[in-house]
Amino acid sequence: EVQLVESGGGLVQPGRSLRLSCVASGFTFDNFAMHWVRQVPGQGLEWVSGINWISSGRGYADSVKGRFTISRDNAKNSLYLQMDSLRPEDTALYYCVKGRTPLVASGYLDSWGQGTLVIVSS
Amino acid sequence: DIVLTQTPLSLSVTPGQPASISCKSSQSLLHSDGKTYLYWYLQKPGQPPHLLIYEVSNRFPGVAGRFSGGGSGTDFTLKISRVEADDVGVYYCMQGIQPPLTFGGGTKVEIK
Repeated sequence: EVQLVESGGGLVQPGRSLRLSCVASGFTFDNFAMHWVRQVPGQGLEWVSGINWISSGRGYADSVKGRFTISRDNAKNSLYLQMDSLRPEDTALYYCVKGRTPLVASGYLDSWGQGTLVIVSS
Repeated sequence: DIVLTQTPLSLSVTPGQPASISCKSSQSLLHSDGKTYLYWYLQKPGQPPHLLIYEVSNRFPGVAGRFSGGGSGTDFTLKISRVEADDVGVYYCMQGIQPPLTFGGGTKVEIK
């Protein structure tokens, strides 16, 4: 059974940084792209970033480009999201999501974690 | 970026009645490989989303037969043949043809 467990969320001041982590199990991690998707409570879904299976390709939403960096460690079955220069509008539940294929695009998102909550506020 | 526009914003449906949700894309989702990268998700209250339909019309394993997807190019539809109480939640379409991946705004389905 696929399991994705996020951590690292919390309350942070605007302008500061936070690093999210996701530990995966139940599948061959280095065969698949991984993604971060966020959701402001009560609102819709926003894809934040994705990384292909060997970290040679990454994609970002315009809203986070230049501030967030996605990475992965296949030896540790782990996905990360380094979030710098955080803004109040980054407040959301951040989901770690498994892709269906090795590529960022050309496939659906088939397994989701429970999410970790990030609150950006002074 | 590809924009997905979902309608309606919300639906109130009597159990046993059909429901239909539209998703219109600002660009064709037909890839040169012949596949159309349009998916449908359902997010039940308090849960992460889960996949219902992939590549327009293929039901994900375990998804009930009352769910069906159709359409092509830029216009897509999710249909529920007979709505059940368990179908409440927010339905999202999503495109996976190119980054940034994008979602529709969601359609909230309630039971009358």
